[in-house]
Amino acid sequence: GENVEQHPSTLSVQEGDSAVIKCTYSDSASNYFPWYKQELGKGPQLIIDIRSNVGEKKDQRIAVTLNKTAKHFSLHITETQPEDSAVYFCAASGLSGSARQLTFGSGTQLTVLP
Amino acid sequence: NAGVTQTPKFRVLKTGQSMTLLCAQDMNHEYMYWYRQDPGMGLRLIHYSVGEGTTAKGEVPDGYNVSRLKKQNFLLGLESAAPSQTSVYFCASSYTNQGGELFFGEGSRLTVL
Repeated sequence: GENVEQHPSTLSVQEGDSAVIKCTYSDSASNYFPWYKQELGKGPQLIIDIRSNVGEKKDQRIAVTLNKTAKHFSLHITETQPEDSAVYFCAASGLSGSARQLTFGSGTQLTVLP
Repeated sequence: NAGVTQTPKFRVLKTGQSMTLLCAQDMNHEYMYWYRQDPGMGLRLIHYSVGEGTTAKGEVPDGYNVSRLKKQNFLLGLESAAPSQTSVYFCASSYTNQGGELFFGEGSRLTVL
């Protein structure tokens, strides 16, 4: 099955700086790569996703890049704000049996320091 | 619009006791999932359902059972709880399983003593 590794596990940045979180995946057939943000006491929420036919996608201060050859993808947050502090999870959609299932990374605790 | 609702939000069990977690969604989604979240391990899929009356095993199914008798509900059962099942459990639903957004509930924290 799919295996997703995520780094770093914790990340602290000064407000206004950029933050980058990286993930690698193992299944070359994976074709969908979402990023979820989990605030304290809440369930994860989708913030951005990318499909394998696209190399980069942006949504305001958030961008995701995908390198299919190297099997890695990254989340970039620019001009970080205190409300960006949360746990971020990457995921990859690989095949498990007959169904396509999401496999999540282990998460990155992002802290934005004022 | 409530989205995905999980009950109960907190529960403490003794080893060997049984319990059921209830997940309800009001978005008419076909696909529903149960995940567990443990420190440093992300979200791991326990069981999932591709429609009413169907269930399938995920990555970590042992010790759990599920049922999907109604499209809007997905139940997760522990027949004989063990300390290793202490975790935060999340239910999610989606319109498609071919690359689409998962909508998560707020989680159920279970402690097994």
